[in-house]
Amino acid sequence: EIVLTQSPGTLSLSPGERATLSCRASQSVSSNYLAWYQQKPGQAPRLLIYAASSRATGTPDRFSGSGSGTDFTFTISRLEPEDFAVYYCQQYGNSLWTFGQGTKVEIK
Amino acid sequence: EVQLVESGGGLVQPGRSLRLSCTASGFTFGDYAMSWVRQGPGKGLEWVAFIRSKAYGGTTEYAASVKGRFTISRDDSKSIDYLQMNSLKTEDTAIYYCTKSYGGYFESWGQGTLVTVSS
Repeated sequence: EIVLTQSPGTLSLSPGERATLSCRASQSVSSNYLAWYQQKPGQAPRLLIYAASSRATGTPDRFSGSGSGTDFTFTISRLEPEDFAVYYCQQYGNSLWTFGQGTKVEIK
Repeated sequence: EVQLVESGGGLVQPGRSLRLSCTASGFTFGDYAMSWVRQGPGKGLEWVAFIRSKAYGGTTEYAASVKGRFTISRDDSKSIDYLQMNSLKTEDTAIYYCTKSYGGYFESWGQGTLVTVSS
C-alpha cells in the first residue's frame, strides 16, 4: 500500500495569499496518477485535479498541481474566501487507492 | 448533471449487516466504474471498494480493512450500485460516499449516508 503524507497539517493564510500544499508518497506513484480534492464542512469532497496537474471540469485556474514520482505539490495562487477548506491528495496508481490525511487551509 | 444518491444507512449493532444503495442519474451508468469512500467522525477519507464496468470485466477491489466482509455489486439496468456490509464493527462507523470513478480517481460524489455501528 502506498502511504501518502501531506504537509503541513494546517496552513493559516489570509485571502489573496498563495497556498502551497505538499503530498509525499512512500513509493513512486505510477504514471503520476495523483488527484487532489477539496472538502468543506458538511459537504462531500470535490475533485479539483487529476493526473497530478490536469484540472477537473469547473476547477478555477487559480488551482494547480505539479510533481511526479513521490513528490507532488498543490497550489492556490491567490486564496479566495471560498477556498478555505480541507484538501486531500489521493493516488490511483495501483488497485489499492489511498488518500493523504489532509491539509486544512484556514483563515489567518 | 451527474447525481448520486446514497441510501440505506442507519444505526446497526456490531456483528450485524447493512446494505447501502447508490442510485445514479445524468450519465450512462454502465460505462463507468463505481466506488465507495468513507469518512469516520472527524477523520480523513478512506477508499473502501471499487467495481469496474462490465466492459472491463466488472471486477472488484477492496481495502484490506473490509475485504471478506463487504461486497460491492452493480445493477446496470437500474443504474444502482450496492455495498453489502457484513460483520460490522464499531470502526466501520462513518459517512459512506458513493462515487463515480474514472481511471481510478473519484470524479463525482454523492452527499453520503451515515452508518453508525453501536450496541
